[in-house]
Amino acid sequence: NAGVTQTPKFQVLKTGQSMTLQCAQDMNHEYMSWYRQDPGMGLRLIHYSVGAGITDQGEVPNGYNVSRSTTEDFPLRLLSAAPSQTSVYFCASSYGLRVADTQYFGPGTRLTVL
Amino acid sequence: LAKTTQPISMDSYEGQEVNITCSHNNIATNDYITWYQQFPSQGPRFIIQGYKTKVTNEVASLFIPADRKSSTLSLPRVSLSDTAVYYCLVGGYGSSNTGKLIFGQGTTLQVKP
Repeated sequence: NAGVTQTPKFQVLKTGQSMTLQCAQDMNHEYMSWYRQDPGMGLRLIHYSVGAGITDQGEVPNGYNVSRSTTEDFPLRLLSAAPSQTSVYFCASSYGLRVADTQYFGPGTRLTVL
Repeated sequence: LAKTTQPISMDSYEGQEVNITCSHNNIATNDYITWYQQFPSQGPRFIIQGYKTKVTNEVASLFIPADRKSSTLSLPRVSLSDTAVYYCLVGGYGSSNTGKLIFGQGTTLQVKP
């Protein structure tokens, strides 16, 4: 299986543009999440989902929307891109939503907002 | 969740054993200690998890003393390809951890030739 896949790998946006980062997993995991990672910092949780139709906010949710219509897909939408959203975005999935459950991460999307 | 403290950075040379210690003074009875590894331009990946004493796999060993207030990730005979950021997470399977997986800054290990 492919694990967690993310598209695109790189993206450049202008301020005010919107876009969707795609994330898919083929491991039948219930829990999926989005993180952003800024230079020299750890990962910060944006949004997460505990199953199809259920989402919740993480540590830094402002400026982002998510939905979970299927178990496999968890897209992240930037509503109106801002330079402060320049970052690397990682999607992750796991069987459970607890710290001890192993998280499987995608390869990341590097986003630049001009 | 238990707060963790680990060094920001470490340097080593190829062939040496590297030990990265994580402090977690307020670890709860049901908490596990989990380590992730993140290579440059990649997402983190799970490397090892333990509850007490010692755990070993093909990548690393994890040493946990009896009081469980700290843990040490041991990488034997590192190579240049072990250059990465290593994250220590502490938490369990209890519902109180729901959706709160937080990665800190981790320890940046630089392996030199």
